[in-house]
Amino acid sequence: EAQVTQNPRYLITVTGKKLTVTCSQNMNHEYMSWYRQDPGLGLRQIYYSMNVEVTDKGDVPEGYKVSRKEKRNFPLILESPSPNQTSLYFCASRKTSGAEAFFGQGTRLTVV
Amino acid sequence: QKEVEQNSGPLSVPEGAIASLNCTYSDRVSQSFFWYRQYSGKSPELIMSIYSNGDKEDGRFTAQLNKASQYVSLLIRDSQPSDSATYLCAVKGTSGSARQLTFGSGTQLTVLP
Repeated sequence: EAQVTQNPRYLITVTGKKLTVTCSQNMNHEYMSWYRQDPGLGLRQIYYSMNVEVTDKGDVPEGYKVSRKEKRNFPLILESPSPNQTSLYFCASRKTSGAEAFFGQGTRLTVV
Repeated sequence: QKEVEQNSGPLSVPEGAIASLNCTYSDRVSQSFFWYRQYSGKSPELIMSIYSNGDKEDGRFTAQLNKASQYVSLLIRDSQPSDSATYLCAVKGTSGSARQLTFGSGTQLTVLP
């Protein structure tokens, strides 16, 4: 089954404690991206990757890091989380052209 | 900074009616336009894409694009309670960072039985 898998689905952490949200896709898609979704603000892109070892900032990259060492994986790293990073996070993937046709299930992060 | 604006709603329609969702965008070079449906607590799901002016129909859904007016809409005919969701408009440009998708904040639709 074609899918994008994020883990964990829910995470509560404390300010400053480094965390990683994993994302993996099994469709051999070149393009992957991370979004955060906040009430009234829609989906905002954090980082995206056009292919292995190629990443670029989206609209709200501050406080986040990513890496793309393998085509299937695109982890999101919060080195020192803060409460304003409490949000719902989505990973997505697609072929180079077209829309983000596949989203992960989402990760609800709470930073206290 | 590209902007995509949607009426946040909530929009309520009776079952069987036509629901009309609207979206405007600021970047004239935008080339690709998409509608996503997102049920509460779930991930967005692509339901329609449109690339050229005019109408595109898929079952009960019709997407309409007017590039001159920088306007894209989604019509849902014979609305069903299962259509109750948030609908996200997304816009993509042609090159460089414009290849990112920019999303509107979404319109919450409720179809009343």
